[in-house]
Amino acid sequence: LAKTTQPISMDSYEGQEVNITCSHNNIATNDYITWYQQFPSQGPRFIIQGYKTKVTNEVASLFIPADRKSSTLSLPRVSLSDTAVYYCLVGSGGYQKVTFGIGTKLQVIP
Amino acid sequence: EPEVTQTPSHQVTQMGQEVILRCVPISNHLYFYWYRQILGQKVEFLVSFYNNEISEKSEIFDDQFSVERPDGSNFTLKIRSTKLEDSAMYFCASSAIVWSGGSTDTQYFGPGTRLTVL
Repeated sequence: LAKTTQPISMDSYEGQEVNITCSHNNIATNDYITWYQQFPSQGPRFIIQGYKTKVTNEVASLFIPADRKSSTLSLPRVSLSDTAVYYCLVGSGGYQKVTFGIGTKLQVIP
Repeated sequence: EPEVTQTPSHQVTQMGQEVILRCVPISNHLYFYWYRQILGQKVEFLVSFYNNEISEKSEIFDDQFSVERPDGSNFTLKIRSTKLEDSAMYFCASSAIVWSGGSTDTQYFGPGTRLTVL
């Protein structure tokens, strides 16, 4: 499994766009990039997944450069309810275990 | 939207007692998982289950742990003789399709059971 590196924590004011970058230098050809969100005392929640270029859904956008060695999760106009831990994960098998790192703790400030 | 459910939300038990944590995965899903998260630590994989057998397990998943799918809807995790260090949030997850190489399927997590061992 490719190792991922992301900032331990980030602060942002409400209403701002937040970009969390994840490095995955050893990503394999078959690997996808998946982001999860976890609120305190809750289970991780899938946010977005992509393979290359840009993916957008109702929650976030995911930007993946051509070399795929990094990815950026973009949260538009964050609110206090976006305060959570965000995990970047890289893997290729839907049946495989998900290996979580420590994630990025996002604190949204009023 | 379909979701994974877990019961109970909180379980308190005495050290040495057996506990069973219950999960109802999303109904058309084929793969089932248990993870745990000790307070303040990472989410850790315990076991994956497919076609009525364990497909992978971690070092944490020792002989004290077992999983079962007793019927078409429930998926359980049993801890035979709980220890203080088993205190954690336990998350059940499920995913839908057999991976065919085209994409990786999303795992959907339940809300968790907080296990407290006294």
